[in-house]
Amino acid sequence: DAKTTQPNSMESNEEEPVHLPCNHSTISGTDYIHWYLQLPSQGPEYVIHGLTSNVNNRMASLAIAEDRKSSTLILHRATLRDAAVYYCILRDGGRYSGAGSYQLTFGKGTKLSVIP
Amino acid sequence: KAGVTQTPRYLIKTRGQQVTLSCSPISGHRSVSWYQQTPGQGLQFLFEYFSETQRNKGNFPGRFSGRQFSNSRSEMNVSTLELGDSALYLCASTRGDRGRTEAFFGQGTRLTVV
Repeated sequence: DAKTTQPNSMESNEEEPVHLPCNHSTISGTDYIHWYLQLPSQGPEYVIHGLTSNVNNRMASLAIAEDRKSSTLILHRATLRDAAVYYCILRDGGRYSGAGSYQLTFGKGTKLSVIP
Repeated sequence: KAGVTQTPRYLIKTRGQQVTLSCSPISGHRSVSWYQQTPGQGLQFLFEYFSETQRNKGNFPGRFSGRQFSNSRSEMNVSTLELGDSALYLCASTRGDRGRTEAFFGQGTRLTVV
């Protein structure tokens, strides 16, 4: 899996939007961009993923640059429950199910603090 | 739909003992991977299994081993425990479509070696 670069930490005020950036300059054409969050002492939790187009779900939005070398996770209104470590991970979509590696390679992630 | 289940949730062992951790993936998921998380090293990949075959192994000593059964349930074993093995051990399951679908994590097993 290719490497990603994220800021170590970010702060946001409650009820304001949060933009968490991720750089992945060596992304390949079949790499999907995945985001996970992790609360203290819990397992990571899936947030969103995409390949080329921007994606929206009930939790967040994912904005992918046209050249796919960067992406941004957008939390529309930060709440105290959003305070967590956010990981941006590239996962190879490959061509065939069952082939290749399924592992996730985690970096340090971004620790998001939400100020009441 | 039941999530990924890891047992036990907490474990205290003595140096030199061995331990077995269990992971039951989401029904229908064929891939299980294991991770070790410590404050100093973050989340590190241990190994992964797909249809009972180990596909990949991280940079851990041979004391760490695992297996996957025909029902996709997986176990990992750590022999001759050391203090440094104290960590949160996480497993993740995926359907088997590689990056096209998300991974689901269990709540982890907190292992403390004394």
